[in-house]
Amino acid sequence: TQLLEQSPQFLSIQEGENLTVYCNSSSVFSSLQWYRQEPGEGPVLLVTVVTGGEVKKLKRLTFQFGDARKDSSLHITAAQPGDTGLYLCAGVNTDKLIFGTGTRLQVFP
Amino acid sequence: DAMVIQNPRYQVTQFGKPVTLSCSQTLNHNVMYWYQQKSSQAPKLLFHYYDKDFNNEADTPDNFQSRRPNTSFCFLDIRSPGLGDAAMYLCATSRGRGSGGLSNEQFFGPGTRLTVL
Repeated sequence: TQLLEQSPQFLSIQEGENLTVYCNSSSVFSSLQWYRQEPGEGPVLLVTVVTGGEVKKLKRLTFQFGDARKDSSLHITAAQPGDTGLYLCAGVNTDKLIFGTGTRLQVFP
Repeated sequence: DAMVIQNPRYQVTQFGKPVTLSCSQTLNHNVMYWYQQKSSQAPKLLFHYYDKDFNNEADTPDNFQSRRPNTSFCFLDIRSPGLGDAAMYLCATSRGRGSGGLSNEQFFGPGTRLTVL
């Protein structure tokens, strides 16, 4: 069974702080995706990482795929209240996604 | 704009009364998915269609059924809702059938929040 563990599970920080969310598995994935979900809405795709060691940047968000394609991280610089939400990593398994356990981020003004 | 649409956004039903949730897409994607999501948890895949091929997850209860009459529409039928079925139900689509990369990116609808009284 493929599992993706995210840490931390919950994170409450002040506006302007930096943070890192981790997504770890013992399984290798062909690619990995990160989603953000706001309350009452569906998840929205942020990025897909495909190559081991790949780094992608999306404004203040930096995503990295581990060299062995088993883990990933999301780093947010100078967090803003608009970053608040549930962050989900998801490993790709043919036509299905294996979702991580989720990290709920709250950024206070 | 191409999108995934779910109706209704909020659905209230009574214990044991059948309910149908609907999803439509304008993306012309091959694959449509139904997920169940409970509070602060990750979405749990119930089943998916690749075109007309139905793929059920092993732990999806028989109480949940699905229909995909054409490429654009997919329905989730809950035959006898129980209190434990109260959740957000998410529909998603993807191009499908790739070993990774863009073909597996999933696009989610806004969800239907189901309340069971």
